[in-house]
Amino acid sequence: AQSVTQPDIHITVSEGASLELRCNYSYGATPYLFWYVQSPGQGLQLLLKYFSGDTLVQGIKGFEAEFKRSQSSFNLRKPSVHWSDAAEYFCAVGAGSYGQNFVFGPGTRLSVLP
Amino acid sequence: KAGVTQTPRYLIKTRGQQVTLSCSPISGHRSVSWYQQTPGQGLQFLFEYFSETQRNKGNFPGRFSGRQFSNSRSEMNVSTLELGDSALYLCASSQGLGNSPLHFGNGTRLTVT
Repeated sequence: AQSVTQPDIHITVSEGASLELRCNYSYGATPYLFWYVQSPGQGLQLLLKYFSGDTLVQGIKGFEAEFKRSQSSFNLRKPSVHWSDAAEYFCAVGAGSYGQNFVFGPGTRLSVLP
Repeated sequence: KAGVTQTPRYLIKTRGQQVTLSCSPISGHRSVSWYQQTPGQGLQFLFEYFSETQRNKGNFPGRFSGRQFSNSRSEMNVSTLELGDSALYLCASSQGLGNSPLHFGNGTRLTVT
């Protein structure tokens, strides 16, 4: 069965600083990987996804993520954080070619200092 | 395109009662999934429906059930509510392929007293 870990429960960065959120997954085959963001009281919004091909994927809001098979990682990055990026971020792995039972990581809460 | 719509946004129920939550997917999406989100357990998969059939199921007791209608709208029912069922229930729709991203609604906040 697939699993996802996000080692950092809470990260605080200053506005304008760079950001990297870590995600490690466990899955027997080539995974489908996703990053979502959740603001308080809201649902989850898709930031980006990886299926195959180029291991560096671009998403919305200036985010990017890099898939590293050798490290079973899919870390999310942003070169310059904005105050509006404060939210909770979830990494998820898809189950494969059939079905939509995604497994989500525990989330990383991002705080942004002015 | 309209997004995923969940109703109601908030519910307060008493232990032992039952509740029905509703979800309208994005037009054209045939898959609807339900997730429970709590501070302690995070996001947990409940079940997925595709073309009116339950295709996947998570590890929840039989008190949690769902269904999908021919227009892809879905309902989730929880019977004999327990205090531990208090959570944010999220519905997500997709095109239903394994690599299809989920599109989430804003959730229904259920409080059981």
